[in-house]
Amino acid sequence: DAKTTQPPSMDCAEGRAANLPCNHSTISGNEYVYWYRQIHSQGPQYIIHGLKNNETNEMASLIITEDRKSSTLILPHATLRDTAVYYCIVRGSNYKLTFGKGTLLTVNP
Amino acid sequence: GAVVSQHPSRVICKSGTSVKIECRSLDFQATTMFWYRQFPKQSLMLMATSNEGSKATYEQGVEKDKFLINHASLTLSTLTVTSAHPEDSSFYICSAPTGPDYGYTFGSGTRLTVV
Repeated sequence: DAKTTQPPSMDCAEGRAANLPCNHSTISGNEYVYWYRQIHSQGPQYIIHGLKNNETNEMASLIITEDRKSSTLILPHATLRDTAVYYCIVRGSNYKLTFGKGTLLTVNP
Repeated sequence: GAVVSQHPSRVICKSGTSVKIECRSLDFQATTMFWYRQFPKQSLMLMATSNEGSKATYEQGVEKDKFLINHASLTLSTLTVTSAHPEDSSFYICSAPTGPDYGYTFGSGTRLTVV
């Protein structure tokens, strides 16, 4: 399974866009990129996923580079409730999700 | 959307006893359930994968006789921690793939404390 690399922590001002990067340079052609977040002591929450094209939903946008070796999750207007650990995951061919250490995003007032 | 209901949310048990954690899929059929464990300040670690009607497959280093998984129906998977010890204290989370494009829904987690 392709591994992902994320910065351990990031800060963002409330109301500004939060851009969370993820490197997945060993991704193969049919592997999806998933983003989840986890607020303390809760189960992970699905945010978005994609294969090749950029994706947008009510929560976020996912920008995947043309070579698919990296992606960026964009929270367009971060709120205090967006403070969480964000996980970028490449889903393996066996459909398992293997979690890395993620990025702790702290949204500051 | 699809929901995975996980119970109990918290449990405290005495060392040597067994604890059962249930995950139910609501409004969809979960032919597969993934079980994770998370220690404080660490990421989720996949423990095992259960498939309805067949034996679970365990990740390397996970004791199958200690963590019994049953997936007897399309809506219920259970994890039983047998002969629990304090080092088994952790946050246990289940997850099921949902939908044709394989999104995944997670349960809310079970905080197990063994005293």
